[in-house]
Amino acid sequence: AQSVTQLDSQVPVFEEAPVELRCNYSSSVSVYLFWYVQYPNQGLQLLLKYLSGSTLVKGINGFEAEFNKSQTSFHLRKPSVHISDTAEYFCAVSPGAQGGSEKLVFGKGTKLTVNP
Amino acid sequence: ETGVTQSPTHLIKTRGQQVTLRCSSQSGHNTVSWYQQALGQGPQFIFQYYREEENGRGNFPPRFSGLQFPNYSSELNVNALELDDSALYLCASSLVVGLARNEQFFGPGTRLTVL
Repeated sequence: AQSVTQLDSQVPVFEEAPVELRCNYSSSVSVYLFWYVQYPNQGLQLLLKYLSGSTLVKGINGFEAEFNKSQTSFHLRKPSVHISDTAEYFCAVSPGAQGGSEKLVFGKGTKLTVNP
Repeated sequence: ETGVTQSPTHLIKTRGQQVTLRCSSQSGHNTVSWYQQALGQGPQFIFQYYREEENGRGNFPPRFSGLQFPNYSSELNVNALELDDSALYLCASSLVVGLARNEQFFGPGTRLTVL
């Protein structure tokens, strides 16, 4: 079974500052890793994903994440945030290429608040 | 291209009642998954349907059931509603071809309140 821990429930930051949202996972099998963003009263939007290959993954809106297998982490970063980045961010894992359902296991989320 | 749509947007029910939530998949997608997102929590996987058959289920009781139709739209049914069923219910669709993993596209959700 897989599980995801998002280490910070809330992250306040000033506009144009860098931000890192932390995510650790546990799994006995290989996994795929995802970051989703949820704006108020909306569904989830995929920011980026790691399936294989380069451990540094670039996504939309200037976000990137680095897969670290030894530390079982997949932290999300942005060098300079905007007010519009204020949202809830979810880290998720799914089983790797073993077939079967694509069940996503989510963390509890990190609420990013960007202040002017 | 039409995205994933869900209806209704909001719903209020009383304990013990039954509810049906609906989801229209994105065009060309053959798989739909349902998730429950309680307030302040991440989404939890309920089940997935692929080609009209259940293809994986999370830790939810049998009173949570679903259907997928030939046009790949889907329903989530919950019987004997309990207060803890109050949540945002998210539907996600994707295109599954063999072992290829493609992005799940999420709908805006249905907010269910059980009184």
